[in-house]
Amino acid sequence: QVQLVESGGGVVQPGGSLRLSCAASGFSFNIYGMHWVRQAPGKGLEWVAFVRYDGSHKYYADSVKGRFTISRDNFKNTLHVQMNSLRPEDTAVYYCAKDYGDSRYFFDYWGQGTLVTVSS
Amino acid sequence: EVVLTQSPGTLALSPGERATLSCRASQRISSTYFAWYQQKPGQAPSLLIYGASSRATGIPDRFSGSGSGTDFTLTISRLEPEDFGVYYCQQYGRSPLTFGGGTKVEIK
Repeated sequence: QVQLVESGGGVVQPGGSLRLSCAASGFSFNIYGMHWVRQAPGKGLEWVAFVRYDGSHKYYADSVKGRFTISRDNFKNTLHVQMNSLRPEDTAVYYCAKDYGDSRYFFDYWGQGTLVTVSS
Repeated sequence: EVVLTQSPGTLALSPGERATLSCRASQRISSTYFAWYQQKPGQAPSLLIYGASSRATGIPDRFSGSGSGTDFTLTISRLEPEDFGVYYCQQYGRSPLTFGGGTKVEIK
């Protein structure tokens, strides 16, 4: 069965950096696009970033463009997001989500999420 | 950016009742590019409907989606106890991908 397991969350000061990872199993990771979606405490969902199956195309929400970098390792079946210049408004649970196809842009499987808290 | 407005914010219903959830888009969206998700407390969202009306794998037929243009609807024909939670709509026809603010379906 499909499993997505995020790690790397924690508490970081404003201006700091954090790298999240998502370990994927139970499907052919190298043929699907992958996303990061976040949810601030008590709030709704916000799409953050997408990477195509082969890493050739990457797209970002305006709120994180220039600060976050999505990447993937198809040999290790792992998705990453490097988050720099973190702000208090980046505080959220970050979900790794599988694209329905390569670039269908909706999400058929989600991880359980990892909490990132940006606070001094 | 396409803004999705969900209504009502909260829906208080009893098991067995029919639930009708609405999502209005600020711009026309092809029905091909519209999805609904369910989120239960402390859990990740799960896909219910895509392409406005296609049920995801394993989703029971009491869930149905409809709509086109700017108005989309999720209907739960007879609420079961496990259906209570928050429901989000999502459009994927225009960049950036956006979600609605959610409708909470709670037990009356």
